[in-house]
Amino acid sequence: KQEVTQIPAALSVPEGENLVLNCSFTDSAIYNLQWFRQDPGKGLTSLLLIQSSQREQTSGRLNASLDKSSGRSTLYIAASQPGDSATYLCAVSRGGADGLTFGKGTHLIIQP
Amino acid sequence: SAVISQKPSRDICQRGTSLTIQCQVDSQVTMMFWYRQQPGQSLTLIATANQGSEATYESGFVIDKFPISRPNLTFSTLTVSNMSPEDSSIYLCSVRDRVPGELFFGEGSRLTVL
Repeated sequence: KQEVTQIPAALSVPEGENLVLNCSFTDSAIYNLQWFRQDPGKGLTSLLLIQSSQREQTSGRLNASLDKSSGRSTLYIAASQPGDSATYLCAVSRGGADGLTFGKGTHLIIQP
Repeated sequence: SAVISQKPSRDICQRGTSLTIQCQVDSQVTMMFWYRQQPGQSLTLIATANQGSEATYESGFVIDKFPISRPNLTFSTLTVSNMSPEDSSIYLCSVRDRVPGELFFGEGSRLTVL
C-alpha cells in the first residue's frame, strides 16, 4: 500500500526566505505526482503536476522536483510571501486514470 | 480547468440520518472521485464514480454506507448513510478532465454529525 510522508509537518519562516518542502512515497511505481495548496476552510488548489518521466516542473516562484527511483519530491518556494501561508499537500497516482494518495501536508506560515 | 460546485457547502445533521452531497462540473469530465478529509487529517479516497455503472470503492469504504451515483459526465452525488459523529468530515469531489491530467477539487462539503 502506497504511503506518502511530508516533512516538516509545520514550518514558520519570515517573509522573503526561500524554502523547501519535502515529500516521500514508499512505492516508486507512480504515474504522476501533484502538489496542492489548501487554505483554511477551502478546497484544494492544484499547483504543479509532474509526470513520472519528468524531473521537475516550474510555475512562477514554485519549482517541484521528482526523483522517482528514490521516492522523493521537493517543492521549492522562492521569495516567500505572507499570501503563501497555507497547507501544502503532496499526492501520487498509481495510474493515469486513478485517484491520488495524499500525504498529511505541511502547514506553512510566512511571517510578515 | 474545470469549475466544480458542491452542495451543500456545510450542514449539521443528526445521528442516524442520511445526507446527499451533489457535485456539478461546468464541463464534461472523464473521471470523478470522492474524498473524505477527517478533522486534522489528510484526504482519503472513498471511491471512483463511474458513469452509468456502480462506483469503485477503496478498501474500508462500502456502497451501503456511501452510495454514489453518476448519471452523466458532469454530475455525481455521494450519500452518507446512517450517520454517526465519526462521519463528521469534509467531503470533496474531484475530477480529471482528461487522462492523464491534473486532478481538480471542489470547495468541499463540511458535515457535522451530532
